[in-house]
Amino acid sequence: GGIITQTPKFLIGQEGQKLTLKCQQNFNHDTMYWYRQDSGKGLRLIYYSITENDLQKGDLSEGYDASREKKSSFSLTVTSAQKNEMAVFLCASSPRQSQNTLYFGAGTRLSVL
Amino acid sequence: TQTVSQSDAHVTVFEGDSVELRCNYSYGGSIYLSWYIQHHGHGLQFLLKYYSGNPVVQGVNGFEAEFSKSDSSFHLRKASVHWSDSAVYFCAVTSMYDTNAYKVIFGKGTHLHVLP
Repeated sequence: GGIITQTPKFLIGQEGQKLTLKCQQNFNHDTMYWYRQDSGKGLRLIYYSITENDLQKGDLSEGYDASREKKSSFSLTVTSAQKNEMAVFLCASSPRQSQNTLYFGAGTRLSVL
Repeated sequence: TQTVSQSDAHVTVFEGDSVELRCNYSYGGSIYLSWYIQHHGHGLQFLLKYYSGNPVVQGVNGFEAEFSKSDSSFHLRKASVHWSDSAVYFCAVTSMYDTNAYKVIFGKGTHLHVLP
């Protein structure tokens, strides 16, 4: 089996700050995802990457940048944190031959003061 | 554009009851449909998936889901729930072939509460 590791688990930032979240997977999966989870709003797709060096915008990409540095890692940057923002960011990966079967990390909880 | 709708934000049942969690989707092409479970404080875990063939698919822990093209639905069912089934359940859809392939869209989730 494999694992998806998200760091940090908790992230506290200041308004206007640039914040980076990291995700590593050892499944050797091609596709990776970043979702934002807010209470009552489900999961919203921020960015995804079909393969190494690929980057696709999701429905919530404004205010974020992403980078697929190598096959095993996918990072997300909040370009300017919003005051009182609170959310959980979930990273996931999936094998190319099995779309819609995602493996998730435990999440990074963001709080902005 | 594919969309997923889960009409019930909360469902409460007693242990041993049957339950159905509803999912409706909109998309014109061929799709994959899945269900995931999220226990409090954790990431999501895959339960089951449909893409073709028998419209009733079996998942882990006694869960099953039925695809209906005419109703644009993929409802999740369990015949007898256990308290440990208390969690949030998410339905997800992905296009199979077009430019949105690999773009996995989730519903807002249904929180299942199982009472003793």
